[in-house]
Amino acid sequence: AQKITQTQPGMFVQEKEAVTLDCTYDTSDPSYGLFWYKQPSSGEMIFLIYQGSYDQQNATEGRYSLNFQKARKSANLVISASQLGDSAMYFCAMWGTSYGKLTFGQGTILTVHP
Amino acid sequence: GAVVSQHPSWVICKSGTSVKIECRSLDFQATTMFWYRQFPKQSLMLMATSNEGSKATYEQGVEKDKFLINHASLTLSTLTVTSAHPEDSSFYICSARPGTGGQETQYFGPGTRLLVL
Repeated sequence: AQKITQTQPGMFVQEKEAVTLDCTYDTSDPSYGLFWYKQPSSGEMIFLIYQGSYDQQNATEGRYSLNFQKARKSANLVISASQLGDSAMYFCAMWGTSYGKLTFGQGTILTVHP
Repeated sequence: GAVVSQHPSWVICKSGTSVKIECRSLDFQATTMFWYRQFPKQSLMLMATSNEGSKATYEQGVEKDKFLINHASLTLSTLTVTSAHPEDSSFYICSARPGTGGQETQYFGPGTRLLVL
C-alpha cells in the first residue's frame, strides 16, 4: 500500500515571494516516483515536476523545485517568485513500481495575493 | 507533446439515463488508461484501470455494473455511467499511459463534468 499526505488545506503567499507546499509519503515499494500537479479552476491536471526515488539530485523545472528528503519521506514543492497565475489546487502524487498506480494527496489550495 | 482528449467536457442529464464519456490519446498509443473521479475541492480517486483488449480492473468500492469501462482500441477508452443518479454528479478525469517510456508516465485528459438532475 502507499499513502500520500498533504497537511496544508490552504496556503497564502504574496506575489513574488517563494512558497513551500508540504508532502509526505509512505510506501513499501523500494522503487517509486513522486509527482506534483497543478489543478486550476478549469480542472485540467498540469504536470509540474517529477522525482524518482533513486534520483540523487532534487528535481527542478523553472520556478518549481522538489525538496526530496528520502529518509524523512518528504517531497515538498517549492515555488519561487510566485505569480497570480499560480493560484490553484496543488496535488502531490506517488507512483509505486509494484503498486502500479498513482496515489494522490488531499491537495493544497494556493492563493497568491497581489 | 502527448495529448489526451475527453468528450464531452460538460454533460447534464436526467436521473436514470446513461452517459458515455470518451477518452482519446491523440498522438500516441495508450496501452493503459485510468479513470478517476473527483468531487469539489477533494482529491482524485482512482476508479479503474483499463488495458486495451481486456477487462477493466476496478478499485474497491467502485460498482462495475454502474461504471462500465471499455478500452476497445489503443487510442480510445470509454466510461459509461449507467442509470445515473444525482450522487454520480462529479468530475471524471482519464489518463493514458503510452506503450513506450516509463511505467510511471501518464498524461491526463481535461476532464468531464457530469451533472445529474
